[in-house]
Parts: sequence; C-alpha cells; structure tokens
Amino acid sequence: KAGVTQTPRYLIKTRGQQVTLSCSPISGHRSVSWYQQTPGQGLQFLFEYFSETQRNKGNFPGRFSGRQFSNSRSEMNVSTLELGDSALYLCASSSLAGTGELFFGEGSRLTVL
Amino acid sequence: GENVEQHPSTLSVQEGDSAVIKCTYSDSASNYFPWYKQELGKRPQLIIDIRSNVGEKKDQRIAVTLNKTAKHFSLHITETQPEDSAVYFCAASKENTGNQFYFGTGTSLTVIP
Repeated sequence: KAGVTQTPRYLIKTRGQQVTLSCSPISGHRSVSWYQQTPGQGLQFLFEYFSETQRNKGNFPGRFSGRQFSNSRSEMNVSTLELGDSALYLCASSSLAGTGELFFGEGSRLTVL
Repeated sequence: GENVEQHPSTLSVQEGDSAVIKCTYSDSASNYFPWYKQELGKRPQLIIDIRSNVGEKKDQRIAVTLNKTAKHFSLHITETQPEDSAVYFCAASKENTGNQFYFGTGTSLTVIP
C-alpha cells in the first residue's frame, strides 16, 4: 500500500504570494488533516477533512484554507504569505473517523523570503 | 481548547539506560494519547498509544502510563539503543472531535553509544 504522498516537497516563495500544497492519502483513508511544524512549536493542527467536509479547524488565520476532493486527495492553500509561514507542512491520513492512528506524509517544506 | 505541555525538550542518556518523557494535558475530556517518533528528516510515526480506560500499556522496551486524575502521561523507554535517538511527540485527542490532535512541543532524545 502506498503511503501518504505530499507535493511539492520543497518550495520557496516571497512575501505576499500564495501557495497550494497537495496531499494524497493512503488508499481507503477518508480523513485527511494538516499540521504546521516549526522548531520549538511542535505540530500545530490546521484543519481536518472527512468525506470532503471540513470537520475541524485550528487556530490559524483565514489565509489558511483547504479542501478535499471526492477521491480523498486534499489541498491546502496559504494566501498572502508572511515570513512566519515558513514551516514544514505535514499532511496525515487516518482510516478511522476519530482518535485513530495518523499516517503522516514526508511534508512540504515552505520557505518564505 | 486543549493544551499539551511536554518535558524535557532535550534528553541525553547513555546506551542501555532508561529515558522518561512526560506530558500534561488540560482538557479532562481528552481520552486518547498517542506518542509519535520522528527521526531526523523523516515523517512522524506512531510508536504507542493509550486510551483513558487503561492506566498502562507496554510494547517491548516502550511503555506509556496515564494518570487521569493528575492529567499527565509519560513515555518510558528501557534499555535505550542508538536507534532510539529521535524527536518524540506526545499528543491528546478526544471523542467526537474527529482526528484533531493537540501535540506537545517535542523531546529530542539522544542515546550516546
């Protein structure tokens, strides 16, 4: 079974630009969640999608948005990038509707200059 | 919302010694507590978890204990080996919140050969 795949793996943007990150979950997993990982802050929850519906949203500004498609693939978008958005963005999928094991992708490392 | 605190942030032990990482949580409704291991440059992976109806769980050299009254849980690694060197994250979640997890800030464990 293929694991969680995230693209792109690395990207560099400048302030004010926008970025779209993609995540393909493990086949059969309907839950996809996104986390921001920064040094010293650990993993901070962005949002979770289940069957194309956003179920939960973390404490991030509206510049961060996401969506999920009918094949469970998910995208997250960050508009009007700020220097502080530089981070590793991790996508995780789960086979359970709640409190289940998260299977993480390798992440998309975003650098904002 | 939930707040998970993790200590220590760094930990160095001699090979063969034990390592203990502690986490506290604030929301008494949290009932699922996983631990993830992230090796350098790799994705986080679940190593052990515990649910609130259990006080302790073991898997070979790894154990997790939970004290619901005090709202803290701990990861114990015995007979540490160099391959245990990684960053460990604790997390908390609760039913009816999907796969929304609150993570600690991580503990960087170094096992010295």
